[in-house]
Amino acid sequence: DGGITQSPKYLFRKEGQNVTLSCEQNLNHDAMYWYRQDPGQGLRLIYYSQIVNDFQKGDIAEGYSVSREKKESFPLTVTSAQKNPTAFYLCASRVKGSSYEQYFGPGTRLTVT
Amino acid sequence: QKEVEQDPGPLSVPEGAIVSLNCTYSNSAFQYFMWYRQYSRKGPELLMYTYSSGNKEDGRFTAQVDKSSKYISLFIRDSQPSDSATYLCAMSEGGSYIPTFGRGTSLIVHP
Repeated sequence: DGGITQSPKYLFRKEGQNVTLSCEQNLNHDAMYWYRQDPGQGLRLIYYSQIVNDFQKGDIAEGYSVSREKKESFPLTVTSAQKNPTAFYLCASRVKGSSYEQYFGPGTRLTVT
Repeated sequence: QKEVEQDPGPLSVPEGAIVSLNCTYSNSAFQYFMWYRQYSRKGPELLMYTYSSGNKEDGRFTAQVDKSSKYISLFIRDSQPSDSATYLCAMSEGGSYIPTFGRGTSLIVHP
């Protein structure tokens, strides 16, 4: 059963702590993406990776970091430098080649207090 | 002016109605157009995907692109309460695999 998994579904952290969100896919997709979704603001791109060991900053990369050591995995770390980290985080992937469609995981709701 | 404009709604319709959801855009280079459905607290699900202008139909859903007017639509026939969700449009330039998303329209279909 192919798909994208994100864990955990809900995550709570204290301010000043780094936290890592997991994203795994078994679709054999090459490209992976991280978005942040806030009420009324739509999806904003944090980081994306087209191939293993390579990634690029999106529109709101400050305070976030990623790694892409395996094709299947693209974890996102929300650092203490991120000023407003409470949000719904979505991971997506895209099949290799000229396809433009992205497929999304179920999301992680991060609450920082 | 944002690149992609989408009325946030909510749009409330009775069950069985034909629903029209729309996005307008300013970037004439957009060529690939997608519609996603997102239920509350879930990830977006790809519904329809079209290239350039024209119509595409899939069951109760029809996607329509009018590049001359920079306007795309998603029609839902015989709407059901299970269609209640937020609908996001997304579009990409040719050669760019980073889509621009609309903010989403909240749809409520009441029995």
